[in-house]
Amino acid sequence: DAEITQSPRHKITETGRQVTLACHQTWNHNNMFWYRQDLGHGLRLIHYSYGVQDTNKGEVSDGYSVSRSNTEDLPLTLESAASSQTSVYFCASSGQNQETQYFGPGTRLLVL
Amino acid sequence: GDSVTQMEGPVTLSEEAFLTINCTYTATGYPSLFWYVQYPGEGLQLLLKATKADDKGSNKGFEATYRKETTSFHLEKGSVQVSDSAVYFCALSEMDSSYKLIFGSGTRLLVRP
Repeated sequence: DAEITQSPRHKITETGRQVTLACHQTWNHNNMFWYRQDLGHGLRLIHYSYGVQDTNKGEVSDGYSVSRSNTEDLPLTLESAASSQTSVYFCASSGQNQETQYFGPGTRLLVL
Repeated sequence: GDSVTQMEGPVTLSEEAFLTINCTYTATGYPSLFWYVQYPGEGLQLLLKATKADDKGSNKGFEATYRKETTSFHLEKGSVQVSDSAVYFCALSEMDSSYKLIFGSGTRLLVRP
């Protein structure tokens, strides 16, 4: 079955370190999204991509970057982790011209 | 800009009680509306959706009707089960054809036996 996976599921890092969170989908979806989930804020969009070599900033993109070198993967990089980036991160994807997004299981990140 | 407002939780109910979770939205046009559910330790799953006014989305006993006049999309279920305990998110799609979703802050539902 097609799916969307994230790794690692849990990560502890230190302030100032670079961290990369992986997202991989096997639906061949064009659209991919990264969100962070924090209490009281719901889900907030970090970055998104409509296809290979396309990336766009979302609502809370500062301190994060993404790259899209193939259809299946959209890794999220924290260039220099900060304690404010402690959160749960979700990746999602949707097909071309489709509004419904399908979510991965999430990565819980703790920045000490 | 577009936004979604949900009732704050937690909502605590006994099994077989009637559930309503309120959701209202602000948007410049007529976006598609969604309810997603998040079970403990998992990602979000689409529960139901409606794409135009007066549409009713339904799934697993849950229903929500797209009300243009009140800009609402309230989630209802006639008889909740313990297994319905989760966080429920209301969302709308941006009208700029960007396929981005805007989420409410989520409502936690606790169902007691």
